[in-house]
Amino acid sequence: GAVVSQHPSWVICKSGTSVKIECRSLDFQATTMFWYRQFPKQSLMLMATSNEGSKATYEQGVEKDKFLINHASLTLSTLTVTSAHPEDSSFYICSAPGQGAWKTEAFFGQGTRLTVV
Amino acid sequence: GESVGLHLPTLSVQEGDNSIINCAYSNSASDYFIWYKQESGKGPQFIIDIRSNMDKRQGQRVTVLLNKTVKHLSLQIAATQPGDSAVYFCAERIISGGYNKLIFGAGTRLAVHP
Repeated sequence: GAVVSQHPSWVICKSGTSVKIECRSLDFQATTMFWYRQFPKQSLMLMATSNEGSKATYEQGVEKDKFLINHASLTLSTLTVTSAHPEDSSFYICSAPGQGAWKTEAFFGQGTRLTVV
Repeated sequence: GESVGLHLPTLSVQEGDNSIINCAYSNSASDYFIWYKQESGKGPQFIIDIRSNMDKRQGQRVTVLLNKTVKHLSLQIAATQPGDSAVYFCAERIISGGYNKLIFGAGTRLAVHP
């Protein structure tokens, strides 16, 4: 199947700083990528949909100025958590929708564990 | 907001037994339902999916059942193995704003005991 690579796998940052998370599709082009957030022992909550060449679409309640999404190319989407605070500590996961033979699948990155201290 | 599933229960089973994981969904407009397995600290892994016009689909050691009347989805794992221990999420695919989105349920933790 297709591979989505997410980096870094974990990051610790100080409160008030910004953190960038990268999501790359390694062997296919992804015009759309999804960003999820997952708190401990909870489900994945969709934050936003990034679209190559246009603005991201944010889910209700997600601050677009805090979670900056850039879909710079057909293989790279980035999520920047700006002015991070301890409550932003979470597991962030990206995914790309399946294509072709894997049309019904979504391919997920390995996730990024963000800890804000 | 949109939601699938109700809570995060834990299902404990003996190795070799069959497991049944349940999920309730709320959106009637979805075209696919998918089960994912998530191990600690990792992203979800696709297990099996089912179209909304089907009621049963079988894979290797897994079967998914869909009951649209009561909006219920289940995952059956035959001969459960220790490697099956993980959190399992159901998800429904909906079209919103022109995009196919996945809405995840709350998840069930499966603990397999030897």
